[in-house]
Amino acid sequence: GAGVSQSPSNKVTEKGKDVELRCDPISGHTALYWYRQSLGQGLEFLIYFQGNSAPDKSGLPSDRFSAERTGGSVSTLTIQRTQQEDSAVYLCASSPGRGGSPSTDTQYFGPGTRLTVL
Amino acid sequence: KNEVEQSPQNLTAQEGEFITINCSYSVGISALHWLQQHPGGGIVSLFMLSSGKKKHGRLIATINIQEKHSSLHITASHPRDSAVYICAAPNYGGSQGNLIFGKGTKLSVKP
Repeated sequence: GAGVSQSPSNKVTEKGKDVELRCDPISGHTALYWYRQSLGQGLEFLIYFQGNSAPDKSGLPSDRFSAERTGGSVSTLTIQRTQQEDSAVYLCASSPGRGGSPSTDTQYFGPGTRLTVL
Repeated sequence: KNEVEQSPQNLTAQEGEFITINCSYSVGISALHWLQQHPGGGIVSLFMLSSGKKKHGRLIATINIQEKHSSLHITASHPRDSAVYICAAPNYGGSQGNLIFGKGTKLSVKP
């Protein structure tokens, strides 16, 4: 079956522009996660969705970052007024949501979107 | 909040060698994850374990809940095992919160 897909695979933008990153989770997965991986750094949690609601937004680094999920499926991560420090690979993952907790569910990762802010 | 530490940061091995990567955490947890990040960037979940040992092919993961420590072993290593191996634990201990990740161990297996 299809895995997690993300688009675009690469995005180059100018400082100050807004960008939208898309994630299509595995069909039937109720939990969805966004992570960020900066160059040479570890994975950093951004936000977690269970269905359409986001019980944990604690990882969003500033109010320029927002995410939504509609229909319990596709999710969009939006970064407004991009800054150079936003340059990173943005990874999406999904999980069945049956584990009772995001940390006890096996997560399936997408290929990521590499964002470069000039 | 949990703190997750991995060692070593980098590891170079000859093909066929037995590999051990270590992960320690500061707050008791219900499950620990091991992930593999390929050179191209793709991430695959290898194991999720809460006690004892799990084995998949040449990969073995162990966890000692009392010592807050886990190890990932690779037997008969092969160049295709070259990747970054990452451990992750619940951010607030138990099963609470999302995952917090170690910085990863970059493994290079030479033929």
